[in-house]
Amino acid sequence: AQTVTQSQPEMSVQEAETVTLSCTYDTSESNYYLFWYKQPPSRQMILVIRQEAYKQQNATENRFSVNFQKAAKSFSLKISDSQLGDTAMYFCALAAQGGSEKLVFGKGTKLTVNP
Amino acid sequence: AAGVIQSPRHLIKEKRETATLKCYPIPRHDTVYWYQQGPGQDPQFLISFYEKMQSDKGSIPDRFSAQQFSDYHSELNMSSLELGDSALYFCASSSVTSEETQYFGPGTRLLVL
Repeated sequence: AQTVTQSQPEMSVQEAETVTLSCTYDTSESNYYLFWYKQPPSRQMILVIRQEAYKQQNATENRFSVNFQKAAKSFSLKISDSQLGDTAMYFCALAAQGGSEKLVFGKGTKLTVNP
Repeated sequence: AAGVIQSPRHLIKEKRETATLKCYPIPRHDTVYWYQQGPGQDPQFLISFYEKMQSDKGSIPDRFSAQQFSDYHSELNMSSLELGDSALYFCASSSVTSEETQYFGPGTRLLVL
């Protein structure tokens, strides 16, 4: 079975500062994908960033980057220059590689960016 | 770019009624997934289809059924609705070209009274 754990139910950060959200996971799969999704108050699920487990290089998307530690099964999200629009619930998710594999989500971290 | 379309966006039903949720995947995506998200919870996988065949099944009640049609759209049929079925239902789609990344629709908010 695959599990995803987000140990920070809530976090807050000041606008323009940097914040890191934690995620750990467990899987017996050798190949898999990791994702961060953002869910703002509108409740739309928006892909933030994606990481293939076989790639050592950490993924980056503009102000968003990850710290992927495969041996430690850790996948944290760093948000730089936080903006008010980053206020949302952030879900870490895992999917085995192989096509048509379901996502397993963590419980989420509610991030509030304060002006 | 085209996104996943879900209809209806909101639905109110009485207990024991039936509901049908529709999902239109991103063009050329061949896999559709359904997730249920209760209030304050993470999304839970219900069922998925690849090339019109069921590919995986999660915690989907027997009262629910789903299928994927020849045009790749999918429908989730929910019968004998219960209060606990009130939730946000997401459809997501993916393909090899999306490198298996799942893109979500806006969701259907179902309220059972």
